[in-house]
Amino acid sequence: KAGVTQTPRYLIKTRGQQVTLSCSPISGHRSVSWYQQTPGQGLQFLFEYFSETQRNKGNFPGRFSGRQFSNSRSEMNVSTLELGDSALYLCASSVTSGGAADTQYFGPGTRLTVL
Amino acid sequence: AQSVTQLGSHVSVSEGALVLLRCNYSSSVPPYLFWYVQYPNQGLQLLLKYTSAATLVKGINGFEAEFKKSETSFHLTKPSAHMSDAAEYFCAVLTGANSKLTFGKGITLSVRP
Repeated sequence: KAGVTQTPRYLIKTRGQQVTLSCSPISGHRSVSWYQQTPGQGLQFLFEYFSETQRNKGNFPGRFSGRQFSNSRSEMNVSTLELGDSALYLCASSVTSGGAADTQYFGPGTRLTVL
Repeated sequence: AQSVTQLGSHVSVSEGALVLLRCNYSSSVPPYLFWYVQYPNQGLQLLLKYTSAATLVKGINGFEAEFKKSETSFHLTKPSAHMSDAAEYFCAVLTGANSKLTFGKGITLSVRP
């Protein structure tokens, strides 16, 4: 079974631009979570989608948004990019949104650099 | 609210030596605990997880962890380090019926020949 895939793997943008990142979960998985990883703040939860509905949201500004499609693929969007948005964005999928019984499998991440 | 503390940011061991990576958690409800490993330029790979079935949890690549409620700890161990174990290790906690993982800051493990 194919793992979680994220595209693109690398992105370079300039301040003020917007960006869209894509995540394809493992086949059969309906929950997709997004995390931001930076050297200073570590791994932080952005949001989770299940059956096209946002179930949980982390403590990020409204510039960060996401959505999930009927095939469980998810996108996250960051508008008006700031230098501090430079990070590795990780996507994780699980079968359901049911907590610990459901292992989250991570993709390789998208490395976003904002100049 | 839950939190995870991983003391120290870097651990260095010799090949063949015991690996011990510490993790302490804070949670107002029974937690679910995880250890993930991250190799350079890769995502996170699950090593093992504790979901209250057994306090000693065995994972992949020879790693294991013991849940100690009295000490609020979930330390990761491996009897004999291998060069391929060099990576960053993250402890994470999850509470409630959702998928929000709270991670520690991570520990970089170096293995000396």
